[in-house]
Amino acid sequence: TQLLEQSPQFLSIQEGENLTVYCNSSSVFSSLQWYRQEPGEGPVLLVTVVTGGEVKKLKRLTFQFGDARKDSSLHITAAQPGDTGLYLCAGGASNFGNEKLTFGTGTRLTIIP
Amino acid sequence: NAGVTQTPKFQVLKTGQSMTLQCAQDMNHEYMSWYRQDPGMGLRLIHYSVGAGITDQGEVPNGYNVSRSTTEDFPLRLLSAAPSQTSVYFCASSYFPGPNTEAFFGQGTRLTVV
Repeated sequence: TQLLEQSPQFLSIQEGENLTVYCNSSSVFSSLQWYRQEPGEGPVLLVTVVTGGEVKKLKRLTFQFGDARKDSSLHITAAQPGDTGLYLCAGGASNFGNEKLTFGTGTRLTIIP
Repeated sequence: NAGVTQTPKFQVLKTGQSMTLQCAQDMNHEYMSWYRQDPGMGLRLIHYSVGAGITDQGEVPNGYNVSRSTTEDFPLRLLSAAPSQTSVYFCASSYFPGPNTEAFFGQGTRLTVV
């Protein structure tokens, strides 16, 4: 079973601060996705990275896929209350993309106004 | 465009009861899946389907059955509910698998087994 560990599990910071959350595994993934989930809703895709070392930016969010495709990070610059939510990483199976997505344990982020 | 629709949103069952969680999508996606979400454990795959008539087990299939008679619907059946099945259940769909395929999720069903 492929496991994805996310850290920290909980993070509470003030508006305007920067933060990084991590997604780590001992397994290699063909792709790595990040989702955000708000209370009472299903996860919503933020980004997909597929190449080792790839960096993608989505406004104030920067996503990086590790060179060995075993880990990823999400960096948020100048966090805002709207960034509050549960952040989930998900690794795609090596041969079939997201046919069997393996989800991480999640980071619950709270931005304090 | 409704996307992925799950019913019911909330359900309380007694131990031993059976029920079916409904999932329907209107995006003509081939791939559909069921996950359960428990605190500190992320989402765990229960069953998935790559097309009508084809289903397979995920990580935690015991106690659950699925069928896929149409592209649109993918119901999840609990055979004999147990307290360990108390969880939030999510259905997801996507185009046939690929590295850049986005999974679309329903709003979830919160199930409590007493």
